[in-house]
Amino acid sequence: GAGVSQSPRYKVAKRGQDVALRCDPISGHVSLFWYQQALGQGPEFLTYFQNEAQLDKSGLPSDRFFAERPEGSVSTLKIQRTQQEDSAVYLCASSLELAGGDTQYFGPGTRLTVL
Amino acid sequence: AQTVTQSQPEMSVQEAETVTLSCTYDTSESDYYLFWYKQPPSRQMILVIRQEAYKQQNATENRFSVNFQKAAKSFSLKISDSQLGDAAMYFCVLDSGYALNFGKGTSLLVTP
Repeated sequence: GAGVSQSPRYKVAKRGQDVALRCDPISGHVSLFWYQQALGQGPEFLTYFQNEAQLDKSGLPSDRFFAERPEGSVSTLKIQRTQQEDSAVYLCASSLELAGGDTQYFGPGTRLTVL
Repeated sequence: AQTVTQSQPEMSVQEAETVTLSCTYDTSESDYYLFWYKQPPSRQMILVIRQEAYKQQNATENRFSVNFQKAAKSFSLKISDSQLGDAAMYFCVLDSGYALNFGKGTSLLVTP
């Protein structure tokens, strides 16, 4: 079946604008993750959903970041009042179950540039 | 705290040769998993190989194999018969719960 998809692939925002990044996980996958990848770095964990429940949001950098998955499938990562330090690639991943070691399948990412 | 260290920012290998990428990690958990992920220039992260910490046998996937040394907390990746399509950023990843902890990556260049 189809893999994880993300939209938009590229987003340019002026500082102070709000942005919304979308993730469509693999159908039937229970777990969904968001990661932030700064230029030249490895991805860093932001938040995790099991179905519609957000079980961990400890990696969100500030209260300007908000994520939701209201029906347990599609997820949206929203960033309010964007700052230049928010510029990064935002990766979404999904896995079939909630279990340590379950393979996470990644989307292509959304590259956010804040001017 | 979980940490993953990749000390080789860049590596180069000739086609058909073998290359080894190094990784060390630290965790206080007794049950965990280790992965190598590959990220080609298109940026889609792809799983290369997976290792359960409780298994002593090293994982193998075709041309890819690992050397897992649990006591030393070392997890290296060996790529045999390197191909041009292997060129990518390789990340060593630790999973001791659900969130993945990534190293900084090793950029692998494959030359003809």
